[in-house]
Amino acid sequence: EAGVAQSPRYKIIEKRQSVAFWCNPISGHATLYWYQQILGQGPKLLIQFQNNGVVDDSQLPKDRFSAERLKGVDSTLKIQPAKLEDSAVYLCASSTLAGGSGETQYFGPGTRLLVL
Amino acid sequence: KNQVEQSPQSLIILEGKNCTLQCNYTVSPFSNLRWYKQDTGRGPVSLTIMTFSENTKSNGRYTATLDADTKQSSLHITASQLSDSASYICVVPNPGTYKYIFGTGTRLKVLA
Repeated sequence: EAGVAQSPRYKIIEKRQSVAFWCNPISGHATLYWYQQILGQGPKLLIQFQNNGVVDDSQLPKDRFSAERLKGVDSTLKIQPAKLEDSAVYLCASSTLAGGSGETQYFGPGTRLLVL
Repeated sequence: KNQVEQSPQSLIILEGKNCTLQCNYTVSPFSNLRWYKQDTGRGPVSLTIMTFSENTKSNGRYTATLDADTKQSSLHITASQLSDSASYICVVPNPGTYKYIFGTGTRLKVLA
């Protein structure tokens, strides 16, 4: 079974520039998550999709972050404009069912973003 | 407030030694607790999940314990190997939501 794919793996941009991350979840997984992981901290949920609908985006800084999952499969996360504090690893995860249960979340390798 | 706290924050041990990582949670009601291993530059990978009725569960050299009364879990690594060097993250579902509460992790370094 192929895992969660993410690209790019690394990205360096200057502040105020825009950047986009892509995620392809495990085939058949209805739930997709985007997390932000700052160095030395646990992952923080940014947005959760169930198929192509948003379940939770309460911690997504909507003035600069946006995400979509148009066909209920792939997803993109965009930051525009980026700030220095956005430097982090952005993890995508998927699961067969919605979170909060015993379902296993499968994580991608992450995209490491550095904002200069 | 529902929280997950881990200790120690970091740990350095010699190859072949054993170690124990701790996770304390204040989540109620409790349903399950999962331990993840996160290698540097990679996403977390599930090691084991502990449900309310389970006390001990092993996965190779990893043994997780759960004490639902004291709301504590531990991850014991036996005969450590260099490949065990990673961050170990404890995760608990946030009751009544679709979210998970992540601990800040324990960074383990195994030295030759």
